[in-house]
Amino acid sequence: DVKVTQSSRYLVKRTGEKVFLECVQDMDHENMFWYRQDPGLGLRLIYFSYDVKMKEKGDIPEGYSVSREKKERFSLILESASTNQTSMYLCASTSRTADRETQYFGPGTRLLVL
Amino acid sequence: AQSVTQLDSQVPVFEEAPVELRCNYSSSVSVYLFWYVQYPNQGLQLLLKYLSGSTLVKGINGFEAEFNKSQTSFHLRKPSVHISDTAEYFCAVKDHTGGFKTIFGAGTRLFVKA
Repeated sequence: DVKVTQSSRYLVKRTGEKVFLECVQDMDHENMFWYRQDPGLGLRLIYFSYDVKMKEKGDIPEGYSVSREKKERFSLILESASTNQTSMYLCASTSRTADRETQYFGPGTRLLVL
Repeated sequence: AQSVTQLDSQVPVFEEAPVELRCNYSSSVSVYLFWYVQYPNQGLQLLLKYLSGSTLVKGINGFEAEFNKSQTSFHLRKPSVHISDTAEYFCAVKDHTGGFKTIFGAGTRLFVKA
């Protein structure tokens, strides 16, 4: 069964803290994505990665960075958390071969920045 | 640029009634179309997708959607809903050019009442 896991379901952090959100997929997918989900705005793409050590900015990359050192793991980093980064963060992955167009999502991490 | 409009932010409906969730997209190129569902406190999962061929697409849990190219619509329907269908539904579009981005709508929250 296809599986995308995220390291935390809920996180509470203070303004200015460095925050790491981890995502792991066990499907050998090449492509991985980080989205944030806010009410009324749907999902907005922060960053994606199409291979190890490769990354591309999405629509809202400001204030975020990413790391992909291994194929199965994609990390989202908030260098200095701010209250406007309070949101639900969703990780997803896709294959470059079979079923290429379907995104497989993790359960999400709900981040509160105080 | 592509965009996706979900015309209703919330749809309340009684159990066993039919439901239609509306989605329109804007794109000048051929597209792939998707509906994803998000149950409370979970990530998104694919409900159905249109890639090519028949314009009527059947998905999981009795849902179906019809691709209408002339009206650039991809409305989701179910003839008889259950309480367990209460969730948020996202329409999404991806163009055929081979890029990585999928554009999501803002979501429609379906409430099924007893």
